[in-house]
Amino acid sequence: GAGVSQSPSNKVTEKGKDVELRCDPISGHTALYWYRQRLGQGLEFLIYFQGNSAPDKSGLPSDRFSAERTGESVSTLTIQRTQQEDSAVYLCASSSPDPGGRSFGQGTRLTVV
Amino acid sequence: EDQVTQSPEALRLQEGESSSLNCSYTVSGLRGLFWYRQDPGKGPEFLFTLYSAGEEKEKERLKATLTKKESFLHITAPKPEDSATYLCAVSGGYNKLIFGAGTRLAVHP
Repeated sequence: GAGVSQSPSNKVTEKGKDVELRCDPISGHTALYWYRQRLGQGLEFLIYFQGNSAPDKSGLPSDRFSAERTGESVSTLTIQRTQQEDSAVYLCASSSPDPGGRSFGQGTRLTVV
Repeated sequence: EDQVTQSPEALRLQEGESSSLNCSYTVSGLRGLFWYRQDPGKGPEFLFTLYSAGEEKEKERLKATLTKKESFLHITAPKPEDSATYLCAVSGGYNKLIFGAGTRLAVHP
């Protein structure tokens, strides 16, 4: 497929556990973004990667959140010591350098119990 | 602070009943205003980008317009398959999009 791929699609975890979410961007897209969407709310920016530049981490809500990207390919978002307020859909998007529309994945629905 | 407000929160229309969704924004140096459609359980689907006041773009039954303070998404003769949440976002820089909370549209036959 040519779209942004995210895995897993659903994740249920116990409070206090660490989770890792994966994003495969569209081939050739140099920019990659992570967003969080709580139920009934808009998207909240988390982090942005552009090529080999230092990532913009200004949206990460706490030091329990971190993300990595290997070159211009796969990215992982890690949440350590999960809390119930971390429950949300985590969306990944990628785009070409043109600031036009980003292409979003289907998201990972995270439930912390 | 960059901010996006969408109204109404929810809109119910009869099939064929045209209407408009509003997106009001404040941003330092608008680089683009984006409209997305989001179906339940799915990621947002890109619809339009508008860059400057006066610009308009159309796609099927949808037309997006932009002024210096707001954007409208006009839906002409909607069909039930147009039911979705419509998200507006602005970019004051290339790296961040600031999203509104969305308008949930329901079109009934």
